[in-house]
Amino acid sequence: DGGITQSPKYLFRKEGQNVTLSCEQNLNHDAMYWYRQDPGQGLRLIYYSQIVNDFQKGDIAEGYSVSREKKESFPLTVTSAQKNPTAFYLCASSNHRGSSGNTIYFGEGSWLTVV
Amino acid sequence: KQEVTQIPAALSVPEGENLVLNCSFTDSAIYNLQWFRQDPGKGLTSLLLIQSSQREQTSGRLNASLDKSSGRSTLYIAASQPGDSATYLCALKRSGNQFYFGTGTSLTVIP
Repeated sequence: DGGITQSPKYLFRKEGQNVTLSCEQNLNHDAMYWYRQDPGQGLRLIYYSQIVNDFQKGDIAEGYSVSREKKESFPLTVTSAQKNPTAFYLCASSNHRGSSGNTIYFGEGSWLTVV
Repeated sequence: KQEVTQIPAALSVPEGENLVLNCSFTDSAIYNLQWFRQDPGKGLTSLLLIQSSQREQTSGRLNASLDKSSGRSTLYIAASQPGDSATYLCALKRSGNQFYFGTGTSLTVIP
């Protein structure tokens, strides 16, 4: 099936640790995104990438890093510099060509908890 | 910056009732508007996409409208069912491949 796969679903981080959330898509989409969602709040953009080997900071990039070495993959690293990382993280992708252009699709999300 | 507002934040209705969810935005220069459903602890599922040149889209019991001049979109749900209980979000796409999301309306349909 075509879609976006995020892993792990649940992740626990100790203070001072870096953790990496995986996001893989087989939709052949050019653009990929990472959002953070806190309880009762909307989605906030962390990073996005419009093409391989290129990415831009979103509204809340501090304490996060990404890479885009392959079209299918856009991993997010939550570094120890992120002081309040406990949240629900959503990966998304979009295509800007064809009849379904400009539609954004989401993965199932990853829960990160600091312990 | 584009501001997207969804009011009310929460809504409870009895089963079978028709209802309307609202999405307001400040900048009418949009490519499209998309409505999503989010179940607790899950990702967002796309319901309807309205291109900027369109006025409405329909899928089953759902109908979404777009009025760019007034900065407003509505999602109409007919004959609501308990399975419709979820959070509904709207999102706008502007230039630069960025999307702007509302904070959502949490819908509860009471059997």
